[in-house]
Amino acid sequence: DGGITQSPKYLFRKEGQNVTLSCEQNLNHDAMYWYRQDPGQGLRLIYYSQIVNDFQKGDIAEGYSVSREKKESFPLTVTSAQQNPTAFYLCASSILFGGQRDTIYFGEGSWLTVV
Amino acid sequence: AQSVTQPDIHITVSEGASLELRCNYSYGATPYLFWYVQSPGQGLQLLLKYFSGDTLVQGIKGFEAEFKRSQSSFNLRKPSVHWSDAAEYFCAVGAGTASKLTFGTGTRLQVTL
Repeated sequence: DGGITQSPKYLFRKEGQNVTLSCEQNLNHDAMYWYRQDPGQGLRLIYYSQIVNDFQKGDIAEGYSVSREKKESFPLTVTSAQQNPTAFYLCASSILFGGQRDTIYFGEGSWLTVV
Repeated sequence: AQSVTQPDIHITVSEGASLELRCNYSYGATPYLFWYVQSPGQGLQLLLKYFSGDTLVQGIKGFEAEFKRSQSSFNLRKPSVHWSDAAEYFCAVGAGTASKLTFGTGTRLQVTL
């Protein structure tokens, strides 16, 4: 089935470590996104990419990094510079210019906890 | 800049009762509007969307929403709520091609039996 796959579902990070969250989509979507979700704050955009080898910062990019080497993959690295990384992370994708089809679809999310 | 307000943080309704979740937006042109639903610990599922045309939009699971430009609102409704509808609901507004969304802070729906 077509969809967006995030892994791992649960991840624990020690202080000072970098961790990478995986996101793969087989929907042939052009654009991919990473959101962070904290209780009571809705979703906040971290990074997005509209084309391979190009990406833009969102509203809260500090302490995060991404790459887009393949159309179907958009991994997110949470670096040790991120002061408060414990959160639920959501990957999403969309067709970039599609009129009625230009809707964002989400993966199932990854929980990151700092221990 | 665009913004979305969901004034109700938490709503409780009885099973079988009607439901209306409020969403107000701020945007300079005709917006792209969405409602998503999220079960605990899961991703977001699209319920419905408005891009243009008929202002009453039908979605999945028996939900509908009405775009009212004069009130800058896009409220979500369901005539009869089921216990499985208990979840968090997010309204979102998109700019241009809707490739970048601004989300509201969500409304948590509790359904009593």
